[in-house]
Amino acid sequence: AQSVAQPEDQVNVAEGNPLTVKCTYSVSGNPYLFWYVQYPNRGLQFLLKYITGDNLVKGSYGFEAEFNKSQTSFHLKKPSALVSDSALYFCAVRESNYQLIWGAGTKLIIKP
Amino acid sequence: GAVVSQHPSRVICKSGTSVKIECRSLDFQATTMFWYRQFPKQSLMLMATSNEGSKATYEQGVEKDKFLINHASLTLSTLTVTSAHPEDSSFYICSAAGGSNSPLHFGNGTRLTVT
Repeated sequence: AQSVAQPEDQVNVAEGNPLTVKCTYSVSGNPYLFWYVQYPNRGLQFLLKYITGDNLVKGSYGFEAEFNKSQTSFHLKKPSALVSDSALYFCAVRESNYQLIWGAGTKLIIKP
Repeated sequence: GAVVSQHPSRVICKSGTSVKIECRSLDFQATTMFWYRQFPKQSLMLMATSNEGSKATYEQGVEKDKFLINHASLTLSTLTVTSAHPEDSSFYICSAAGGSNSPLHFGNGTRLTVT
């Protein structure tokens, strides 16, 4: 069965520092991987996806993620964090019928 | 870009009443929509998959008679929480995909509070 793991419940980063939110996956076949962000009391917003092609994927708001097949990881990164990046981040893998298998979420806190 | 509109954003209702939540894809046709429930500080729980023109597929443990889903057109799916109880209070989110390999687009969610 496919699964997604986000090992950190919370990540704290100082504003201006680089940030990484970790995600590992387990799939049979080629993975379709996604990152979504959720702001308080809001729905989710799509950040970026990996389907095929370059391992480094660039997305919205300056975020990027690196697909690493050997380590089965898809970590979310940003070179310089902003306080406004504070939110809940979800990694997900898609099954063939569009259903997403979700990670548990990581709360990102950026301190000024 | 693709937008999914979810209405209402907040609703407070009395125990025993029913509440309808609408999910609309505004600029694309969605043959499949998904309904999620999110508990505080937890990830999304898929409740059901809504297919246009056919019955919804419910996840294990989700009461189909309590959470009625209707997907009458390619742009509208509704979730009705029937005979609501306080334990139904939660954040409900819908999503839809515009096509193969397209990311899911999410509504802004509905905060349901049952008193």
